[in-house]
Amino acid sequence: NAGVTQTPKFQVLKTGQSMTLQCAQDMNHEYMSWYRQDPGMGLRLIHYSVGAGITDQGEVPNGYNVSRSTTEDFPLRLLSAAPSQTSVYFCASSYSLPTGTGANTEAFFGQGTRLTVV
Amino acid sequence: GIQVEQSPPDLILQEGANSTLRCNFSDSVNNLQWFHQNPWGQLINLFYIPSGTKQNGRLSATTVATERYSLLYISSSQTTDSGVYFCAVPSTDSWGKLQFGAGTQVVVTP
Repeated sequence: NAGVTQTPKFQVLKTGQSMTLQCAQDMNHEYMSWYRQDPGMGLRLIHYSVGAGITDQGEVPNGYNVSRSTTEDFPLRLLSAAPSQTSVYFCASSYSLPTGTGANTEAFFGQGTRLTVV
Repeated sequence: GIQVEQSPPDLILQEGANSTLRCNFSDSVNNLQWFHQNPWGQLINLFYIPSGTKQNGRLSATTVATERYSLLYISSSQTTDSGVYFCAVPSTDSWGKLQFGAGTQVVVTP
């Protein structure tokens, strides 16, 4: 059971380039999300999805796009990379939204993608 | 929104020592997790513990939801326990988000 798999683990981009961070989970979780982790800022929610075909913005969505065509995959696209997007990106999944009302909302995180934009 | 405070911010332990990390939260929750971020940056699930006590090897955790705190116990610490320990609860001001504490940086020395 692989859990949540992110690729790549490391990436260097030039300003203005675009790329897609991949995230896949094999736990049949409905809920998936993307966070970025920056020093002193903690983990901030970028986008999330409550199921295939449904996505919504988190607290820092600008400069990022997502789609959810299958339950398993939730890619994050950087449209035109900027140095401010240098960060560590984490994908997470859980059975339901982390509101505390679901039957099991334990979240599992991928190993992270360290992105540098120069 | 809900505030999550962790203490202490830093902890230096000698191998074999025991320690207690604390997580206070400002509002009622029925979902709390502890994570370990290892020196390679991976976020490892330790406990999903909305209430009560759980144990996993040398680690155990207790959440007292009515008093709005959770404790993580590390016994007989090893150098592999080094890293940052986070607690996280559902955010009350951002739908679908986990609100993380600032973490406790733990260094275990040989």
